[in-house]
Amino acid sequence: NAGVTQTPKFQVLKTGQSMTLQCAQDMNHEYMSWYRQDPGMGLRLIHYSVGAGITDQGEVPNGYNVSRSTTEDFPLRLLSAAPSQTSVYFCASSYSTVDFVSPLHFGNGTRLTVT
Amino acid sequence: AQSVTQLDSHVSVSEGTPVLLRCNYSSSYSPSLFWYVQHPNKGLQLLLKYTSAATLVKGINGFEAEFKKSETSFHLTKPSAHMSDAAEYFCVVSDSSGKLIFGQGTTLQVKP
Repeated sequence: NAGVTQTPKFQVLKTGQSMTLQCAQDMNHEYMSWYRQDPGMGLRLIHYSVGAGITDQGEVPNGYNVSRSTTEDFPLRLLSAAPSQTSVYFCASSYSTVDFVSPLHFGNGTRLTVT
Repeated sequence: AQSVTQLDSHVSVSEGTPVLLRCNYSSSYSPSLFWYVQHPNKGLQLLLKYTSAATLVKGINGFEAEFKKSETSFHLTKPSAHMSDAAEYFCVVSDSSGKLIFGQGTTLQVKP
């Protein structure tokens, strides 16, 4: 099994450009989520989904959109990139959200730079 | 609201000596607590989790953590550090809706 696959690994954008970060999992997990990781701040939740067709905002949702049309895929869209969105982005999934008894499985991250 | 504080941003130990990474949490109810590890340029991997069963939790690679409600702590320990343990470690608490709140991270350096 591939687990959680994120593409691309690296991306450089100019301010105002748009792009989509891709995330796919092959474990039939219902829960999927996007985090951003910034130095000294741990990981902060951007958006999450508890199943196909269901999404919700996390701690830092502004500037990002998500959709969940299938169980496998959970893309993250930046509509108009800003330098403040320079970060490392992680997609994570788990089988269940019931008190997170099942662990989160993380992708290897996308390093995004906005100039 | 739930929160988690990792008391050290950087810990340095010699190979073969004990490891202690400290974590305090704040929660209005009995939380679930986790430790995740991140090796360079990789995603995070679960080390261990506490979900209101035994207070001493054993994880992978010889790590363990003890839940101490009176001290609101969940410190991570390992008796003998290995070079491969060098990584960043995150203490995590679940909030009342099941979302995870991450600490700021502790970088563990292991010297030969």
